[in-house]
Amino acid sequence: AQSVTQPDIHITVSEGASLELRCNYSYGATPYLFWYVQSPGQGLQLLLKYFSGDTLVQGIKGFEAEFKRSQSSFNLRKPSVHWSDAAEYFCAVGAPNQAGTALIFGKGTTLSVSS
Amino acid sequence: NAGVTQTPKFQVLKTGQSMTLQCAQDMNHNSMYWYRQDPGMGLRLIYYSASEGTTDKGEVPNGYNVSRLNKREFSLRLESAAPSQTSVYFCASSEAPGGVTDTQYFGPGTRLTVL
Repeated sequence: AQSVTQPDIHITVSEGASLELRCNYSYGATPYLFWYVQSPGQGLQLLLKYFSGDTLVQGIKGFEAEFKRSQSSFNLRKPSVHWSDAAEYFCAVGAPNQAGTALIFGKGTTLSVSS
Repeated sequence: NAGVTQTPKFQVLKTGQSMTLQCAQDMNHNSMYWYRQDPGMGLRLIYYSASEGTTDKGEVPNGYNVSRLNKREFSLRLESAAPSQTSVYFCASSEAPGGVTDTQYFGPGTRLTVL
C-alpha cells in the first residue's frame, strides 16, 4: 500500500534562510504527488503538484519541489523564507485506480520562522 | 464564490449524542471527501463520494455515516459520539469523478470535542 513519510516533525528556520522539507513516498508506479500548506486555524491549500514531465515543479508563494524517482522523494524547497511561511506542511500521494483511497497524507512538518 | 463551506465551525458534544456535520461546495465538483485531523497523525480519510449517488469507506469509517445529498452537499453523521472522535474534521472536493489525481479544495474545518 502507498504511504508517505515526512521525517521532520518540526523545523525552525531563520527569516531569509533557505528551506527544504523532506517527503518520501512508497508506491509501485509513478505517483501523483502534492504539497499542501495549513496556516493555523485554516483549511489546507495546495502549494504544488506533480503528475508527470519536468521533475522540478513550481508552485505558489515561491515554493518548488523536485521529484526524484531513484530516492522516492518529493522535497519542498524555498530559497528565502518569510515569517508568513510559518505553518504546517503536508505531503500527499494520490494513487490512481486504487479503490477506497483518496489522497494519503504524511503526518506533517511544522515550520517555525525565527527573526 | 465561497468554495467549500462547513458548518458548524465548533461543536461540543457529550458521549452518546449525535450530530451531523454539513459540507457544501459551489464549484460543481464531482468528488467530495471527509477527513479527520488529529495531532501527529496528519489527515485520514473517513469517507468519500466519487460522484453524486455514490459513497465509499476510507481509512477510518467506523462510527460515522455519510450522505451525498446532491452534487453540492456531503454530510457526515456521528450517531453516538465517543471521546475518540474528538478531532478537527475537514471536507474537501475535487473536480473529476473519483479522481485522486485532482487538486482537492478544503473547507475551513469543524473542531469537534466529545466529552
